[in-house]
Amino acid sequence: QKEVEQNSGPLSVPEGAIASLNCTYSDRGSQSFFWYRQYSGKSPELIMSIYSNGDKEDGRFTAQLNKASQYVSLLIRDSQPSDSATYLCAVTYNGKLTFGQGTILTVHP
Amino acid sequence: DGGITQSPKYLFRKEGQNVTLSCEQNLNHDAMYWYRQDPGQGLRLIYYSQIVNDFQKGDIAEGYSVSREKKESFPLTVTSAQKNPTAFYLCASSIDRGGSYEQYFGPGTRLTVT
Repeated sequence: QKEVEQNSGPLSVPEGAIASLNCTYSDRGSQSFFWYRQYSGKSPELIMSIYSNGDKEDGRFTAQLNKASQYVSLLIRDSQPSDSATYLCAVTYNGKLTFGQGTILTVHP
Repeated sequence: DGGITQSPKYLFRKEGQNVTLSCEQNLNHDAMYWYRQDPGQGLRLIYYSQIVNDFQKGDIAEGYSVSREKKESFPLTVTSAQKNPTAFYLCASSIDRGGSYEQYFGPGTRLTVT
């Protein structure tokens, strides 16, 4: 069983729509949760971190965490073509990050 | 200008040769990490170091070696024992912000072994 699971996609949304990316994790003791964006051929860039249940908003991005359901999501409002990338979910347990395989997001004009 | 640098960006080697990838950071971060990424895959942890002169194996350490003689530097050697070394190698560092372990990545080195 994978420790961090994401739908690999691709997820295709029209420009201006809300993109919803989901992630589940297996370790109930996980402490910190992150979303990274990775453009093709580039390294991952940290875009959101969340540590407690509920929502955290930063500009057009909202991260949602539900520890009881072991579920973390990322919402991107008013999606732009420049948001097209692979989004990696990462979960910390015992000081190490475990990454999901990533969801490819395509925003079409 | 703080950040993480990796060199070279692209590296080509013949099978059977050892190769060392450089990673330097000037963020004053305590912890450093090496990951490997294969096409269409997530990141897999090779080695990590939380303090100078100490490091631990990650999930796929076989065929790799590291050193941590300075806080700023964490080089990775890909040895000839690594059976499938062609991959995108990423170095990261983190500072423990109350246990959050936010990690920041360098630009990566793309290694091709033929």
